[in-house]
Amino acid sequence: EIVMTQSPATLSVSPGERATLSCRASQSISSNLVWYQQKPGQAPRLLIFGASTRATGIPARFSGSGSGTEFTLTISSLQSEDFAVYYCQQHHNWPPWTFGQGTKVEIK
Amino acid sequence: QMQLVQSGPEVKKPGTSVKVSCKASGFTFTNSAVQWVRQARGQRLEWMGWIVVGSGNTHYAQRFQQRVTIIRDMSTSTVYMELSSLRSEDTAVYYCGAGGGGSYLGYWGQGTLVTVSS
Repeated sequence: EIVMTQSPATLSVSPGERATLSCRASQSISSNLVWYQQKPGQAPRLLIFGASTRATGIPARFSGSGSGTEFTLTISSLQSEDFAVYYCQQHHNWPPWTFGQGTKVEIK
Repeated sequence: QMQLVQSGPEVKKPGTSVKVSCKASGFTFTNSAVQWVRQARGQRLEWMGWIVVGSGNTHYAQRFQQRVTIIRDMSTSTVYMELSSLRSEDTAVYYCGAGGGGSYLGYWGQGTLVTVSS
């Protein structure tokens, strides 16, 4: 089973600043990685698939990069609605698909 | 618009079973794959299994293999996930999802809280 590790656990950022979230896979997963955003009491929402392609309706301030074992989600200028928990998920080797433990982006 | 609507919260006793439904609308149900993921409080998301709606083929995560069953009802565009031999550690929000060709969840249900308590 592929283990996904996210860092940091919590990221404190001021509105308007840039946020950089990391996700590492225990073995190469090519570009078979997605990112989700989850707000309290809500289901996750797909942000990025294929490591770098934004899902429909996702603002351009969200960008994903990486391949192999190292991936990054960047939020270029944080808006109030972006404070949430972000999860990465691999779909390279299954079963099962596996998720990272999440990074909470909070207001500084 | 693609929509997945799940059944309501459940409270179950240890050792019993729970069956959660996920009704789809707004897309071609027969061409889809529906996945189930759960999330215990404060924990990461955990993939449980999926069903290819057209064929009815299923695949389950090994840790749930003996306890989970996913079926579909084509007449009502509904997928069901049944988890048996419940224990307190199964207390979680259970989500269904679709889209992404079965590789990821492009669309999610609203979640169903299952509480296992004596």
